[in-house]
Amino acid sequence: DGGITQSPKYLFRKEGQNVTLSCEQNLNHDAMYWYRQDPGQGLRLIYYSQIVNDFQKGDIAEGYSVSREKKESFPLTVTSAQKNPTAFYLCASSSTFRRTSGNTIYFGEGSWLTVV
Amino acid sequence: AQSVTQPDIHITVSEGASLELRCNYSYGATPYLFWYVQSPGQGLQLLLKYFSGDTLVQGIKGFEAEFKRSQSSFNLRKPSVHWSDAAEYFCAVGFSGGYNKLIFGAGTRLAVHP
Repeated sequence: DGGITQSPKYLFRKEGQNVTLSCEQNLNHDAMYWYRQDPGQGLRLIYYSQIVNDFQKGDIAEGYSVSREKKESFPLTVTSAQKNPTAFYLCASSSTFRRTSGNTIYFGEGSWLTVV
Repeated sequence: AQSVTQPDIHITVSEGASLELRCNYSYGATPYLFWYVQSPGQGLQLLLKYFSGDTLVQGIKGFEAEFKRSQSSFNLRKPSVHWSDAAEYFCAVGFSGGYNKLIFGAGTRLAVHP
């Protein structure tokens, strides 16, 4: 079945460590996104990529990094510079945006990151 | 600046009762509007969306929403709630900013009493 796969589902990070969250999609979507979700808040955009080998910062990119070497994959690295990384992370994808019709963003099942 | 407001943080309804979840947005042009549902610890599932045309849109699981331009609202409704509808609901507004940018509301958590 087509969809977005995130792994791992649960991840624990020690202080000072970098960790990488995986996101793979087989929907043939051009655009991919990473969102962060904190309790009681909506989703906030970390990074997005509209095409392979290109990506842009979202609203809360500090302390995070991404790569887009393949259309299917958009891994997120949470670096030690991220001071409060404990959160639920959601990967998403969509087809190319069209002004006349827009399009829909589809989400993966999410990854929980906890700092220990 | 663009924003999305979901005024109700928590709502509790009885099973079989009707439901309306409110969503208001702030944006200068006609936005693209979405409602997503999230079960605990899961990703977001699209319920319905509005891009253009008929302002009353039908979605999955018996949900519908109505876009009211004059009120800058996109409220979600269901005539009869089922216990399985208990979840968190997010309204989102999309803008034609050259990419698929979504602004999310803070969410409304729905509890359903038997």
